[in-house]
Amino acid sequence: DAKTTQPPSMDCAEGRAANLPCNHSTISGNEYVYWYRQIHSQGPQYIIHGLKNNETNEMASLIITEDRKSSTLILPHATLRDTAVYYCIVRVGRDYGGATNKLIFGTGTLLAVQP
Amino acid sequence: NAGVTQTPKFRVLKTGQSMTLLCAQDMNHEYMYWYRQDPGMGLRLIHYSVGEGTTAKGEVPDGYNVSRLKKQNFLLGLESAAPSQTSVYFCASSRFRVATGDSYEQYFGPGTRLTVT
Repeated sequence: DAKTTQPPSMDCAEGRAANLPCNHSTISGNEYVYWYRQIHSQGPQYIIHGLKNNETNEMASLIITEDRKSSTLILPHATLRDTAVYYCIVRVGRDYGGATNKLIFGTGTLLAVQP
Repeated sequence: NAGVTQTPKFRVLKTGQSMTLLCAQDMNHEYMYWYRQDPGMGLRLIHYSVGEGTTAKGEVPDGYNVSRLKKQNFLLGLESAAPSQTSVYFCASSRFRVATGDSYEQYFGPGTRLTVT
């Protein structure tokens, strides 16, 4: 699975959009970009994932560059409850043979939403 | 629908003691996973299971054993606890996408905080 690079921390004002970047320059054609977040002391929570098209759900939007080497997670109106560590993970979407579906977590980005 | 639950929430062990962590999910998911998270680090996969009666090693399996006797339960055992196993343990589960072999997103439990002295 490709490695990802994220800034260690970011600040965002409450009510503003939070844009979290992720670099994955070695991503392969069959690898998806996943985003999870972990609020302090809780289990990680799935946010969104995509292959090459931009995706949107009730939580966030995912923008993937045309060359797929980087992506941005957008929280449109950040609230204090969005303060968490955000993990960008790249993994193969289809498992051939032994199914693993492993998520390889890095250290993520600590997003601090300020009042 | 409780999702993924873990028992116990906290535990303190002495070096050499054994214990079993229990993970249960009520979503009928095929896949289940055990991760550990050390302070300031991301999660690392210990063992996983793709179905009842099957288990496999992840990134850091040494010192742990697992069993999946029932589809809804995934047990993590420490036979002889060591201080290096002090960590927060998370269980997760996911569905299996039959048509593609892919899995859906993983759902995580609240974690078990284990201290080995």
